[in-house]
Amino acid sequence: DVKVTQSSRYLVKRTGEKVFLECVQDMDHENMFWYRQDPGLGLRLIYFSYDVKMKEKGDIPEGYSVSREKKERFSLILESASTNQTSMYLCASSPFRLAPRGDTQYFGPGTRLTVL
Amino acid sequence: ILNVEQSPQSLHVQEGDSTNFTCSFPSSNFYALHWYRWETAKSPEALFVMTLNGDEKKKGRISATLNTKEGYSYLYIKGSQPEDSATYLCAPIQGNLIFGKGTKLSVKP
Repeated sequence: DVKVTQSSRYLVKRTGEKVFLECVQDMDHENMFWYRQDPGLGLRLIYFSYDVKMKEKGDIPEGYSVSREKKERFSLILESASTNQTSMYLCASSPFRLAPRGDTQYFGPGTRLTVL
Repeated sequence: ILNVEQSPQSLHVQEGDSTNFTCSFPSSNFYALHWYRWETAKSPEALFVMTLNGDEKKKGRISATLNTKEGYSYLYIKGSQPEDSATYLCAPIQGNLIFGKGTKLSVKP
C-alpha cells in the first residue's frame, strides 16, 4: 500500500511565524503535490514537483515556497504565516507516466493549520 | 483554469436509496477525468480514472460513466449505505488535476 504521511494533523501558529509542513511518501513516486482545501472551494494546487530539486508553481503559489531535497520528502514552507493561510493542507504523490492521463494521486491525511 | 462544476453540492439519502451526481467540465482538449472519495478525517482516495468517451467503470456498488463530447460524468451509487457517506470529488486534467468542489453525500441509517 502506498503511504503518504504528513508531519502534523493539527497545527496552530502565530502571524509572521515561519511554518514548515512536511510530507513523506514511501512508494518511490516521482511526483509530489501540495494542495489546500477551503470551505466552498475545491482542492487547489499550490506547488508540485516532478523530481528532486525541481518545483513548479500551481494555481495559488503566492505566500508559499517548497523544498524537495530527497525524492520521498516534499516540504511546504510558509515564510511568514498570515491568517488567510488558515486552511487544510493536503500532500499527494503519484508515479511518473508519460501519457497525459494523469496517474492516480495518493493523498496524505492532511494538516489543519490555524494561523492566529 | 478549467471550470469544473459538481452538482448537487450536498445530498441526503436514506440507507438503501440509489443516488447519482454529476460532474461537468469543458469538453475541448479532454485527456482524462478522475473520481475521488473523501471521507471525513481520512485521506481522499481514488475511485476511477476515465479516459474514453462512453467509458463505464464499476467498483462494487459505485459506478461512473463518461461523456467527453458533451463534457460530463455521472457517479452512481446503488443501494447507498452509511459507509458511503463522504465527499465525492471529480477532477479532469488540464496539465494537472483540476478538482471540483465536490458533492457531499450523507446516508442515514
